[in-house]
Amino acid sequence: QVQLLQSGGEVKKPGASVTVSCKTSGYTFSNHDINWVRQAPGQGLEWMGWISIYNGHTNYAQNFRGRVTMTTDTSTSTVYMELRSLSSADTAIYYCAKEIRAVSGTGFDSWGQGTLVTVSS
Amino acid sequence: SYAVTQPPSVSEAPGQTATITCAAEIGGGNRVHWYQQKPGQAPVLVVFDGTLRPSGIPDRFSGSDSGNTATLTISRVEAGDEAVYYCQVWDRDTDTFVFGTGTEVTVL
Repeated sequence: QVQLLQSGGEVKKPGASVTVSCKTSGYTFSNHDINWVRQAPGQGLEWMGWISIYNGHTNYAQNFRGRVTMTTDTSTSTVYMELRSLSSADTAIYYCAKEIRAVSGTGFDSWGQGTLVTVSS
Repeated sequence: SYAVTQPPSVSEAPGQTATITCAAEIGGGNRVHWYQQKPGQAPVLVVFDGTLRPSGIPDRFSGSDSGNTATLTISRVEAGDEAVYYCQVWDRDTDTFVFGTGTEVTVL
């Protein structure tokens, strides 16, 4: 079955960077884009961006451009999301999610378990 | 990006129909998806591409859209349907997504 397994929780100081990994299995890795979504405590969902596993192209939400980088390692079917210049406003659960169809703009049918990133001095 | 607005809450008695709206620029090839999120859990896709259901999602969940409003309908609501529901809009022009503000569904 499809699985997305994320790395464990992180505690970071303001100004630092964090990298969250998302190891996938159970489907053809190159066929489906991976998206990243975050959720601050008690808040709604916020889309951060996607990466095409097929060609490595990325598209980031305006709020994160210049501060986020998404990459892939096709040898291990793993996707990485790096977020830099962290502030307390970045404290959130970060999810990776796979698109249900191999077309642009479709819904996310499989999600990682979430990674809590806490930013605190 | 643009705002995607949902009512904060919807309440219905068991067996009734719950309707959740999502106000956004729907149309012109933009797509709408719906997620159910229960406390402490990752979101679950219940409707995608406006009207389609993933495998395993009951047919009590249905989606539609008309003009600038998309709608998620939950027929014959059950206690297990209590959750926050988010719509998500894909903007074809920018190839980006925006989530709605979320609607908490309470089964009375």
